[in-house]
Amino acid sequence: IVMTQSPATLSVSPGERATLSCRASQIFGSNLAWYQQKPGQAPRLLIYAASIRATGVPARFSGSGSGTEFTLTISSLQPEDFAVYYCQQYTNWPPITFGPGTRVEIK
Amino acid sequence: QVQLVQSGAEVQKPGASVKVSCRVSGSTLSELSIHWVRQAPGKGLEWMGGLDPENGERIYAQPLQYRFTMTEDTSTDTAFMELTSLRSEDTAMYFCAIAHSVEAPYITQWGQGTLVTVSA
Repeated sequence: IVMTQSPATLSVSPGERATLSCRASQIFGSNLAWYQQKPGQAPRLLIYAASIRATGVPARFSGSGSGTEFTLTISSLQPEDFAVYYCQQYTNWPPITFGPGTRVEIK
Repeated sequence: QVQLVQSGAEVQKPGASVKVSCRVSGSTLSELSIHWVRQAPGKGLEWMGGLDPENGERIYAQPLQYRFTMTEDTSTDTAFMELTSLRSEDTAMYFCAIAHSVEAPYITQWGQGTLVTVSA
């Protein structure tokens, strides 16, 4: 399953809403995770099963979608949210595949 | 809390091999599904392989399956990855990681990463 993400870069002002998209090349249900990665750090799990927030993840992060179209929404961007976000499918593995990432930058 | 501590950065020549360790603390390696993910400089995440702790099966990404080996030392709770016949395109940060389960292998915990540089 090939994952694509759009846009590649998203320019957003602090306090604004950010909507990130992830699309799969074939239908696979809801076995999708989202990760946040900041420069020089390992990724951090945000969302699994398409819409369940991981422990400690703020409520401003939400995930939705199923089938082939998935969305990560950050309701009100905080300064610490500027990072790269990856989606990952984990159905019928191997392989496990990641999307190419969306960079969220300060506008 | 489970933590993963990886070995230090490596510089290797093309054609050589590299072995990276990943020590588990706060849990027992035999109970965990350890995966390896790499990231080339400025690039995205690439899954390399993972372990099913229930039967010990090691599952590899097809492009790497002839050069990549995962092993474990349960006496020291340390996982290892070895990559052979290194090429310049193997230059990357290598992460060990814990997957939630074999059925749902999203990554819940990451090591700090080990930078492997392949250069003549």
